[in-house]
Amino acid sequence: EPEVTQTPSHQVTQMGQEVILRCVPISNHLYFYWYRQILGQKVEFLVSFYNNEISEKSEIFDDQFSVERPDGSNFTLKIRSTKLEDSAMYFCASNGPGGRRTEAFFGQGTRLTVV
Amino acid sequence: GQQVMQIPQYQHVQEGEDFTTYCNSSTTLSNIQWYKQRPGGHPVFLIQLVKSGEVKKQKRLTFQFGEAKKNSSLHITATQTTDVGTYFCAGDQGGKLIFGQGTELSVKP
Repeated sequence: EPEVTQTPSHQVTQMGQEVILRCVPISNHLYFYWYRQILGQKVEFLVSFYNNEISEKSEIFDDQFSVERPDGSNFTLKIRSTKLEDSAMYFCASNGPGGRRTEAFFGQGTRLTVV
Repeated sequence: GQQVMQIPQYQHVQEGEDFTTYCNSSTTLSNIQWYKQRPGGHPVFLIQLVKSGEVKKQKRLTFQFGEAKKNSSLHITATQTTDVGTYFCAGDQGGKLIFGQGTELSVKP
């Protein structure tokens, strides 16, 4: 069964450093998302991406965050200068085979720890 | 913006007991989705409800969507230890999912 894959599974970084989280969405999906889940809390929307551009972003997604689809398969989230409060599980998700947006398929997540 | 509230936050049951979680949106939803997240895992889609008053069943799980399309519930009959996890409702806002806080279910064997 096709799945969304994310790397790395765990990233530890020093405060102020840049991190790039990587995702490979399901190949025939057209809509891509990043969500964040702080430990023990709900899943929060960060950004959606369609047709090579951001379609929507939340208040959390400030200038420190950026997304990119550098090639036909990868979808990345960059945090320019990490803060302690960026520590969370980051989930990539995709949907929209054939343009129909149904359920979202989530990757296994990247646990980001900022020290 | 749209808010989705979910109660209870935690539910501890004895195996075989029933379980229900409730979801309320501040605005009318085009559809609502339910996800299950096992401890240490990622959200996994369970079901989507679209029509007002819709009821769907998956084995021991029953999902309802309110007539006003602002609330929803998930009911599990005769819980099993495999039901353990956090159940999230999520309002679909043009593809963007607005998640509730989730209900963490623990099942004592």
